[in-house]
Amino acid sequence: EDKVVQSPLSLVVHEGDTVTLNCSYEVTNFRSLLWYKQEKKAPTFLFMLTSSGIEKKSGRLSSILDKKELFSILNITATQTGDSAIYLCAGNYGGSQGNLIFGKGTKLSVKP
Amino acid sequence: DTAVSQTPKYLVTQMGNDKSIKCEQNLGHDTMYWYKQDSKKFLKIMFSYNNKELIINETVPNRFSPKSPDKAHLNLHINSLELGDSAVYFCASSPLAAEKLFFGSGTQLSVL
Repeated sequence: EDKVVQSPLSLVVHEGDTVTLNCSYEVTNFRSLLWYKQEKKAPTFLFMLTSSGIEKKSGRLSSILDKKELFSILNITATQTGDSAIYLCAGNYGGSQGNLIFGKGTKLSVKP
Repeated sequence: DTAVSQTPKYLVTQMGNDKSIKCEQNLGHDTMYWYKQDSKKFLKIMFSYNNKELIINETVPNRFSPKSPDKAHLNLHINSLELGDSAVYFCASSPLAAEKLFFGSGTQLSVL
């Protein structure tokens, strides 16, 4: 059975800390792994990873995929209160596009 | 302009009623989806339509019926609402053969 497991489920840090969010997956016909950020309502896209070992970066956020060990990490450096959100990891499993299986998310709270 | 818009944002109704949620995207995407997010924030795909044709129909009770009058619209009709249907329902869209989804802001359905 396809599954995506995220850890930790929740995390509380202080502004300026660096955090690492984990995502492991077992996805048949794996195509890609995606990270989304969900604040109040709609999840918004952060990264899509298809190749092992190639880091994707956007400002203070970065992510990398390990297709051999079947996991991905999302790093956030110098956290800010605006980073508080639920971070969702999703694996794209075979067949048509958009066959995403989501993890349960990591709830990140950044305290001032 | 809102890229993926869904209405209503909130829906409170009694058990046994029939209700509809509407979704429209102005991104020119070919594929649209309905996702359900339960109280534990677990996001799960329900349906996927590609250019008005159903391509994914996960294990969803047949009380749920999607309808796509054109590729910019995907509505969700729910018959005989049950307590367990209470959740946030997200509409999303993506270009053809792409995994990056754009989500609407969600419809919070509460069945009393």
